[in-house]
Amino acid sequence: NAGVTQTPKFQVLKTGQSMTLQCAQDMNHNSMYWYRQDPGMGLRLIYYSASEGTTDKGEVPNGYNVSRLNKREFSLRLESAAPSQTSVYFCASTLLSALALIPSTDTQYFGPGTRLTVL
Amino acid sequence: AQKVTQAQTEISVVEKEDVTLDCVYETRDTTYYLFWYKQPPSGELVFLIRRNSFDEQNEISGRYSWNFQKSTSSFNFTITASQVVDSAVYFCALSEDGQGAQKLVFGQGTRLTINP
Repeated sequence: NAGVTQTPKFQVLKTGQSMTLQCAQDMNHNSMYWYRQDPGMGLRLIYYSASEGTTDKGEVPNGYNVSRLNKREFSLRLESAAPSQTSVYFCASTLLSALALIPSTDTQYFGPGTRLTVL
Repeated sequence: AQKVTQAQTEISVVEKEDVTLDCVYETRDTTYYLFWYKQPPSGELVFLIRRNSFDEQNEISGRYSWNFQKSTSSFNFTITASQVVDSAVYFCALSEDGQGAQKLVFGQGTRLTINP
């Protein structure tokens, strides 16, 4: 099992360009998440998908869109990149099965991250 | 709103010293979970521990131990006899349930450097 994979690993964009960050998991997890990590600020939740077909905003959703393509894949799109979106982006997933009555009992597994620079 | 504070931005110790990383949290939930993650220089996030709000027993795993105290809203992490390989950024996180998902709120992280 590869766990959670992210592509690309590195990307440099110019202001105004668009791009999509890809995330896939092979653990049959139901919930998926996108975070960004900035120096001195820890990780902050951008968007999440509790299950296939649903997406919701997190703490910092402005400037981003997401698509839960299927159970395995959850993509993050920057329509018009800005320098403030320079960051490391992490995708994560949790099992969160129907048997998990309390969502917090799950462990979140993270991908290796995508380092994005917007010039 | 939930909040996690890791007041120690950076800690530097000499190998074999014991070191404690502090984590203080705020939540109005009666049921919640606390986590510690390790981020080594390679950049990935490694899960270390999960603790629920009903279990205040201390946890020990090898050289790692965790002290959870609801009275002070703290969940501190101690490394005994530190090693160079322990050098990393450590994050404390609190789970916030929402719409059937597990939304983690992270602290700012503590960069730990173990010097040989």
